[in-house]
Amino acid sequence: GAVVSQHPSRVICKSGTSVKIECRSLDFQATTMFWYRQFPKKSLMLMATSNEGSKATYEQGVEKDKFLINHASLTLSTLTVTSAHPEDSSFYICSARDWLAGGPYNEQFFGPGTRLTVL
Amino acid sequence: GDSVTQMEGPVTLSEEAFLTINCTYTATGYPSLFWYVQYPGEGLQLLLKATKADDKGSNKGFEATYRKETTSFHLEKGSVQVSDSAVYFCALSDPGGSARQLTFGSGTQLTVLP
Repeated sequence: GAVVSQHPSRVICKSGTSVKIECRSLDFQATTMFWYRQFPKKSLMLMATSNEGSKATYEQGVEKDKFLINHASLTLSTLTVTSAHPEDSSFYICSARDWLAGGPYNEQFFGPGTRLTVL
Repeated sequence: GDSVTQMEGPVTLSEEAFLTINCTYTATGYPSLFWYVQYPGEGLQLLLKATKADDKGSNKGFEATYRKETTSFHLEKGSVQVSDSAVYFCALSDPGGSARQLTFGSGTQLTVLP
């Protein structure tokens, strides 16, 4: 299947700093990428939908100024956690849809996730 | 809104045991239903799916049947292996909302002992 990578896999930062997480589709083009947040023993919570060349669509309750999303190309989306605080510590997962596969139910391919710890 | 409720884990089984992980859903329309699996250190992978009532999804010995009358999509496998140890997520995609988005259950950790 298609491969999605995330970088870094793990990051520790100080409170008040910003952290950028990259999500890449390695062998396919993705017009749409999704960013999820996963708390321990909790389900994945959709944060935003990232569309190539346009502004991301954020879910209710997600601060767009806090979680900046850029989808500058068909293979790369970035999530920047600005002025991170300990409550932002979490596991962030991205996924991408292969636009060539077509159809409303075409599969999302998931990255391995990024563990963010804010001290 | 849409929601997915799945059996809380962790679940620990011996090799060759029968597996059932329960999943029920609430949706406004007629959703597609999915099971994803997350192996340690890896991303989520689609295990199987069903797009309409009475459909049975199957893959790698796992099966799940879309039951509209009970709003359920329980995952089953007749004989588990150690390599099946992973976290399993039930999910739905509701065409009444945005077909692009997935709503996930909380995940069930499965450990299979040799």
